[in-house]
Amino acid sequence: NAGVTQTPKFRVLKTGQSMTLLCAQDMNHEYMYWYRQDPGMGLRLIHYSVGEGTTAKGEVPDGYNVSRLKKQNFLLGLESAAPSQTSVYFCASRQGSNTNTEAFFGQGTRLTVV
Amino acid sequence: RKEVEQDPGPFNVPEGATVAFNCTYSNSASQSFFWYRQDCRKEPKLLMSVYSSGNEDGRFTAQLNRASQYISLLIRDSKLSDSATYLCAVSHNTDKLIFGTGTRLQVFP
Repeated sequence: NAGVTQTPKFRVLKTGQSMTLLCAQDMNHEYMYWYRQDPGMGLRLIHYSVGEGTTAKGEVPDGYNVSRLKKQNFLLGLESAAPSQTSVYFCASRQGSNTNTEAFFGQGTRLTVV
Repeated sequence: RKEVEQDPGPFNVPEGATVAFNCTYSNSASQSFFWYRQDCRKEPKLLMSVYSSGNEDGRFTAQLNRASQYISLLIRDSKLSDSATYLCAVSHNTDKLIFGTGTRLQVFP
């Protein structure tokens, strides 16, 4: 049982390049989330999804886009990477039956934009 | 102002000490509350949910104060292995899950 898997684990981008981070979960969870974590800032919510085909903005959505075409996958896109997007990105998923359910995280993607 | 706030610490305590962390939240529609633990360069993992009546899991006690909009985590008899960052998280009816900045705990011998 893999849980939540993020791809890739590390990446270096040049300013202006684009990339897509993939999050896959095998627990049939309804809710999925993308966060970024920077020193002293905790986890900040970028975008989230409460079901296949739906997405919503979080606390820091600018510069990112997301898609949830399949229930098990949640993609995070950077169209034109900037150095300010250097961060550790975490994906999480949780059951959708109520709000009091545990979120499971992937191992993170370390992205550096130069 | 962040929706969920924590004292970043670090809290440096000796083994065996009792330490408490608070976390305040600003959205009164918040429904569910959690404490997560994050080890260095690892993903966060659920430590415990926080229930209205308060709850305990071994050395860990969590409390919720809806009137003042804060949750707390008490760790008794601290162990070296408790050294980590503790993140509080809040969920409300939009199904967002918002985290605080985290509080770093360092337990020394």
